[in-house]
Amino acid sequence: DTAVSQTPKYLVTQMGNDKSIKCEQNLGHDTMYWYKQDSKKFLKIMFSYNNKELIINETVPNRFSPKSPDKAHLNLHINSLELGDSAVYFCASSQFDSGSGELFFGEGSRLTVL
Amino acid sequence: GQQVMQIPQYQHVQEGEDFTTYCNSSTTLSNIQWYKQRPGGHPVFLIQLVKSGEVKKQKRLTFQFGEAKKNSSLHITATQTTDVGTYFCAGTPSGGSNYKLTFGKGTLLTVNP
Repeated sequence: DTAVSQTPKYLVTQMGNDKSIKCEQNLGHDTMYWYKQDSKKFLKIMFSYNNKELIINETVPNRFSPKSPDKAHLNLHINSLELGDSAVYFCASSQFDSGSGELFFGEGSRLTVL
Repeated sequence: GQQVMQIPQYQHVQEGEDFTTYCNSSTTLSNIQWYKQRPGGHPVFLIQLVKSGEVKKQKRLTFQFGEAKKNSSLHITATQTTDVGTYFCAGTPSGGSNYKLTFGKGTLLTVNP
């Protein structure tokens, strides 16, 4: 069973479109994240949710809207896509009270905006 | 804000040679984590260091956390082709949010067989 799964793995779309990426974790973790990895491999945190509540929003444009319907799911919706949004988006989860807070990453969703 | 710098950006070695990547933070860290990302893959947790001056080993990998808890290193002895990938350090600022792990830019290691 995949611990952190995200769909789709690949997304190719036109500028201006709206798209969503879904993430689910079956580890029972309380905290979930979205990270963006650009073409230079730089991993930057976008959002963090703990028990469905937003706790970190790293100055991400309003076009990005995360939603956590329950603590096992964290989805990312992007409006009006721009060329600069092209990247690999990683979902991750962690648990602090019973572990080291290490991040478990999904396999990534590669978004290409044309 | 907190910055985590990692050097070198790239390192190419012959199989059997040693490799070291260094991580420096602009602020004191409560802990530091190391991750490995294989080409085309996702980051995978390797280890966490918490104590000042801590040294941990995993087979051919040796991880160190500096006395001031502002720097760290990962040393691989006798590299193998399976070591290829990007190694990231990631730190949590002392007194800061545990939920905000800041990653270094990574060191891409390539190994010539």
